[in-house]
Amino acid sequence: GENVEQHPSTLSVQEGDSAVIKCTYSDSASNYFPWYKQELGKGPQLIIDIRSNVGEKKDQRIAVTLNKTAKHFSLHITETQPEDSAVYFCAASNNDYKLSFGAGTTVTVRA
Amino acid sequence: DSGVTQTPKHLITATGQRVTLRCSPRSGDLSVYWYQQSLDQGLQFLIQYYNGEERAKGNILERFSAQQFPDLHSELNLSSLELGDSALYFCASSAARGRGYTFGSGTRLTVV
Repeated sequence: GENVEQHPSTLSVQEGDSAVIKCTYSDSASNYFPWYKQELGKGPQLIIDIRSNVGEKKDQRIAVTLNKTAKHFSLHITETQPEDSAVYFCAASNNDYKLSFGAGTTVTVRA
Repeated sequence: DSGVTQTPKHLITATGQRVTLRCSPRSGDLSVYWYQQSLDQGLQFLIQYYNGEERAKGNILERFSAQQFPDLHSELNLSSLELGDSALYFCASSAARGRGYTFGSGTRLTVV
């Protein structure tokens, strides 16, 4: 089955700086890569996703890049704000609906 | 509100007992997924149902079972509970292939 590795496990950034989280996947058939944000006491919330026919996608301060050859994808958050503090999960799917999640990255934005 | 409703929000029960967790998917979503989240295991896929039928199984213990009813709500049954079953249990739903899930807010199960 699919194996998704996520790094780093924790990330502390100064407010206004950028944050980058990286994930690698094992199944070359995977073609859908969403990112989720989980705040304390809440369920994961989809923040951005990318498909394998696209190399990069942006949504305001958030961007995701995908390198199919290397089988890795990354989340970039620019101009970080305190409300960006949360746990972020990457995931991968090969069209069978089931998502395989990374272990998560705890992001702390220091004021 | 994500549109996915999970009840109860919290559940405290003793070892050996049986509990049922309930999930109502977003309106129109046919797929329901169950995930277990514990501190050291991340989000572990348990099982998926699509329009009433089991579609995929993950690391679900034999003591656990699930079903999806004709009105598309789903129940996850956990029996012979052990201390290690304490975790957050999330339900998610999706409408179509290739789209991200929408998660509910979870049920926190504590086994004492």
